[in-house]
Amino acid sequence: GAGVSQTPSNKVTEKGKYVELRCDPISGHTALYWYRQSLGQGPEFLIYFQGTGAADDSGLPNDRFFAVRPEGSVSTLKIQRTERGDSAVYLCASSPEGTGSYEQYFGPGTRLTVT
Amino acid sequence: EDQVTQSPEALRLQEGESSSLNCSYTVSGLRGLFWYRQDPGKGPEFLFTLYSAGEEKEKERLKATLTKKESFLHITAPKPEDSATYLCAVQVDSWGKLQFGAGTQVVVTP
Repeated sequence: GAGVSQTPSNKVTEKGKYVELRCDPISGHTALYWYRQSLGQGPEFLIYFQGTGAADDSGLPNDRFFAVRPEGSVSTLKIQRTERGDSAVYLCASSPEGTGSYEQYFGPGTRLTVT
Repeated sequence: EDQVTQSPEALRLQEGESSSLNCSYTVSGLRGLFWYRQDPGKGPEFLFTLYSAGEEKEKERLKATLTKKESFLHITAPKPEDSATYLCAVQVDSWGKLQFGAGTQVVVTP
């Protein structure tokens, strides 16, 4: 079946601009996670959705970052007033359940470059 | 504070030369330890989940083991296609939040 998809695959934007990154999870997966990965590092947790609600947004670095999942499927990560330090690969993952211990399946990521 | 440390940072192997990667962790109440493989420009690909000390899992040339403080990923008789970055992660809460190590970059030469 189809895996997690993310669009766009690459995004170049100027400092101060607004960007939206989209994630389409595996069909039927109720849990959705966003991570950010810098070069040479492992992914860093940003936010977790169970259904439509954000159950844990403790990883969002500041209030310029916001994410939504209005219908419990597709999610959008929104970054306002981008800064050069926001440059990274943004990864989305989905899982069939949000409680207990279940493997997460990752998308290919969106590479964000802020110039 | 939860912490995951992987070693070595990089590993260069000859084809057929077996080796092991280490993942040391500190977490209050392990709910699961995960191994992922990541190829350049791609997202992490799930390999294994381990839940309790003494547990082992195998897939082709890879074998993952778990103790109370660390996990090992053993690569037996590696092939060039095993070249990748291997990431270890621990689940740190009941929602499934993962904390990752920095990874071990493995290069297998023919």
